Amino acid sequence: DQQVKQNSPSLSVQEGRISILNCDYTNSMFDYFLWYKKYPAEGPTFLISISSIKDKNEDGRFTVFLNKSAKHLSLHIVPSQPGDSAVYFCAAPLSSGTYKYIFGTGTRLKVLA
Amino acid sequence: DVKVTQSSRYLVKRTGEKVFLECVQDMDHENMFWYRQDPGLGLRLIYFSYDVKMKEKGDIPEGYSVSREKKERFSLILESASTNQTSMYLCASIGGNQPQHFGDGTRLSIL
Repeated sequence: DQQVKQNSPSLSVQEGRISILNCDYTNSMFDYFLWYKKYPAEGPTFLISISSIKDKNEDGRFTVFLNKSAKHLSLHIVPSQPGDSAVYFCAAPLSSGTYKYIFGTGTRLKVLA
Repeated sequence: DVKVTQSSRYLVKRTGEKVFLECVQDMDHENMFWYRQDPGLGLRLIYFSYDVKMKEKGDIPEGYSVSREKKERFSLILESASTNQTSMYLCASIGGNQPQHFGDGTRLSIL
């Protein structure tokens, strides 16, 4: 049972436009969620997180929205830049107080110049 | 700034070989992890360790073992490498209120 799902394996967006990456989850007990970005041949780097008590968190061009009733979160990148081309993973701690994460399968974003 | 260092970026081994992947972190973190990343499957947890000499199986431990003799070092061992273990291997550590911090990964090819 996949508790964190990213149903879109890939997404292409024109430079300057908005990129929206989606993530669905099944466990309503998750305390917070994270997004990681991964370039080829590099490890994932932490991008942004959101607590389950919030519905929005913003950091520069990156905003994460959380819809608890729909068990859905999304990452918005505005404006998209070619350097944003990477694989994006959403993740959540497996249970409260644990350091173990469960990751989605990732969405490959390609920003076209 | 947290630094997680994986000893090799690229590694090529033959089937049946015993393979060691090394990971070192410099932040005195108690918790360390080994993942593998495969296309369409995301990051899957192989093993994790929450203290020296302590370990727990993750989701896909078969064919792997680990060693944590010192706090800063977490080793992943492929007992007898097989071609289906060709993958990108990622080590991570975590401590305090920080998110998991990853190394740059080891791209392992088993021929």
